[in-house]
Amino acid sequence: EVQLVESGGGLVQPGGSLRLSCAASGFTFSSYWMHWVRQAPGKGLVWVSRINSDGSSTSYADSVKGRFTISRDNAKNTLYLQMNSLRAEDTAVYYCARGVVATIGFYFDYWGQGTLVTVSS
Amino acid sequence: SYELTQPPSVSVSPGQTARITCSGDALPKQYAYWYQQKPGQAPVLVIYKDSERPSGIPERFSGSSSGTTVTLTISGVQAEDEADYYCQSADSSGTSVVFGGGTKLTVL
Repeated sequence: EVQLVESGGGLVQPGGSLRLSCAASGFTFSSYWMHWVRQAPGKGLVWVSRINSDGSSTSYADSVKGRFTISRDNAKNTLYLQMNSLRAEDTAVYYCARGVVATIGFYFDYWGQGTLVTVSS
Repeated sequence: SYELTQPPSVSVSPGQTARITCSGDALPKQYAYWYQQKPGQAPVLVIYKDSERPSGIPERFSGSSSGTTVTLTISGVQAEDEADYYCQSADSSGTSVVFGGGTKLTVL
């Protein structure tokens, strides 16, 4: 059974940092691109970042570029999101999701349960 | 930036058919995907590549595409189908992931 379990969320002050983790199991983690998607309270889904299967290629939404860093440890079956210079607008539930590469573009076939990040003083 | 447009809400009585649309200029060139999200839960993929249904998703869920609009159809709606539904696709280059704003399905 595919499982994705996020951790690391919490309350942080504006300008602070936080590192999210996503522990994967039930599939060959090193074969899949992985993504972070967030959802602000009462709002819709927004893609944040992706990393390819071996970690050599990453991409970010403009809203987090230069502040967030996605990485992975295939030996530990774990995905990470390092979040720096956090802003109030980064407050959201952060989901990790397994990506499937389609003919063009990609989609998400499994999602974690999410971890809440609250940026507030 | 590229956008996908969904109606904010759709209401339907149990047993009826619900249709949720998603519009975007690149949809003729890109596949669309649909996710169901119930309160406090993670999204679940219900349709991929416009009209394919993942294993475990009931047959009452179907998808279709016509021009710049894709449609999620739920036939014989049940109370348990009440949820938010999001379409997802990519821009014409295939590099940017985009979600629609979401549609709240209410089962009357």
